[in-house]
Amino acid sequence: DAKTTQPNSMESNEEEPVHLPCNHSTISGTDYIHWYRQLPSQGPEYVIHGLTSNVNNRMASLAIAEDRKSSTLILHRATLRDAAVYYCILRDEFGNEKLTFGTGTRLTIIP
Amino acid sequence: DTGVSQNPRHKITKRGQNVTFRCDPISEHNRLYWYRQTLGQGPEFLTYFQNEAQLEKSRLLSDRFSAERPKGSFSTLEIQRTEQGDSAMYLCASSHTPDSYNEQFFGPGTRLTVL
Repeated sequence: DAKTTQPNSMESNEEEPVHLPCNHSTISGTDYIHWYRQLPSQGPEYVIHGLTSNVNNRMASLAIAEDRKSSTLILHRATLRDAAVYYCILRDEFGNEKLTFGTGTRLTIIP
Repeated sequence: DTGVSQNPRHKITKRGQNVTFRCDPISEHNRLYWYRQTLGQGPEFLTYFQNEAQLEKSRLLSDRFSAERPKGSFSTLEIQRTEQGDSAMYLCASSHTPDSYNEQFFGPGTRLTVL
């Protein structure tokens, strides 16, 4: 599986935007970029995914570099409930069922 | 349907005992996954089912571990002769085909402590 690299931790002030980076220099053409997050004492939850174009949903936006070797998860207005570990995961379009988690980025929101 | 459920939420056992965990996926989700998570690490894949068929097993799943999904609905994960290294959070997830990139929905996990 292609590997992703994320900062171990980040901090952000409440109600400000947060940009969570992910590097995936060995990404293949059929790898989708997925983001999951894990709130304290809960299982992971899906946030967003994309292939080439930037994506938006109600939770976040995903900005994908033109060469696809990096991406950024954007939380437009962080709240205390966004404090979690965020995982950037590559998942092959064709049949790779499992999610391969790294250690993720622990996001702390400062009130 | 309130999502994926797992029971028990917590299990404390003595080394050498057998334990069994249950996962109830979201109804009509035909894929079911088991992961294990140790402190400070991301979840690690153990195995997955499509309906009742177990299609992939990680090398992490030693001979002491067995998983079943007898009727393609709920699943059980059994650990025999538990060891202290088995202490972890065991997570279950489900998803619906046919989209291979479809999101996985996780349960709250079962935390196992082996004394």
